[in-house]
Amino acid sequence: QKEVEQDPGPLSVPEGAIVSLNCTYSNSAFQYFMWYRQYSRKGPELLMYTYSSGNKEDGRFTAQVDKSSKYISLFIRDSQPSDSATYLCAMRKGSGNTPLVFGKGTRLSVIA
Amino acid sequence: GAVVSQHPSWVICKSGTSVKIECRSLDFQATTMFWYRQFPKQSLMLMATSNEGSKATYEQGVEKDKFLINHASLTLSTLTVTSAHPEDSSFYICSAESKLTDTQYFGPGTRLTVL
Repeated sequence: QKEVEQDPGPLSVPEGAIVSLNCTYSNSAFQYFMWYRQYSRKGPELLMYTYSSGNKEDGRFTAQVDKSSKYISLFIRDSQPSDSATYLCAMRKGSGNTPLVFGKGTRLSVIA
Repeated sequence: GAVVSQHPSWVICKSGTSVKIECRSLDFQATTMFWYRQFPKQSLMLMATSNEGSKATYEQGVEKDKFLINHASLTLSTLTVTSAHPEDSSFYICSAESKLTDTQYFGPGTRLTVL
C-alpha cells in the first residue's frame, strides 16, 4: 500500500460546479498537509497548507483534514476553466526541512 | 510571495554529456532545497535533499555519482546530470524551504531531453 493514495482521474466538470478532490494516507506520522496545483509543464504552485484537523478556507478553495480517518480533501467552488490543472496532495511528518510525500495527482478539466 | 527560479527551462543534449541545472530562491534564504524528478503523467519523486554547506542526502535508488548536487549558498543549489542517457530524460523540479513560512516553494522545472 502506498503511503499516499490519490485518484488520478481525469475528472471533468462543467464551469461553476463544486469540485471535490481527495487523498488518503496510511501513516499517522503525517502532520502537515498541502495541496498544490500544477499546470502542464510547470512547477507545482502551493494552494493550501494545513496542519490540524478541520477546515481552512481561502477564496474559492477549502481544505479539509480528518486525521482520525487519514483523509484530506480540497473543495473548489464556482470552478473556472482556468482551474483546469493537475492537483497534487502532499504531506510531511515534521515541520521544516522534511521531505514532502506526494499523491499521484488528479487531472481536472473544467469545461466552459 | 516566495519565488524560485530554475535555469535552463529546457535543455536537449547528446548522450554521454553532462548537464547542470540551477535552482535559485530569489527573495528568501533557503537552508534546504529538494530535487524532484517527474515523468509524464506521474507524480513528483524526491531525488535528494540538499542542505547548504553539507552533502546532499539521496533517496534510495538515486545514484549520487550520476546526479551531483551542490548547495553552495543559501539561495543556490545545482543539480548536474553526469553522462546523461536517454532514460534520464525527464522533468526536473527543485523546491526551496522558506524558514519564515515553513513551506516549500517550487521552481518552474527543467525539461531535459537526452538524444
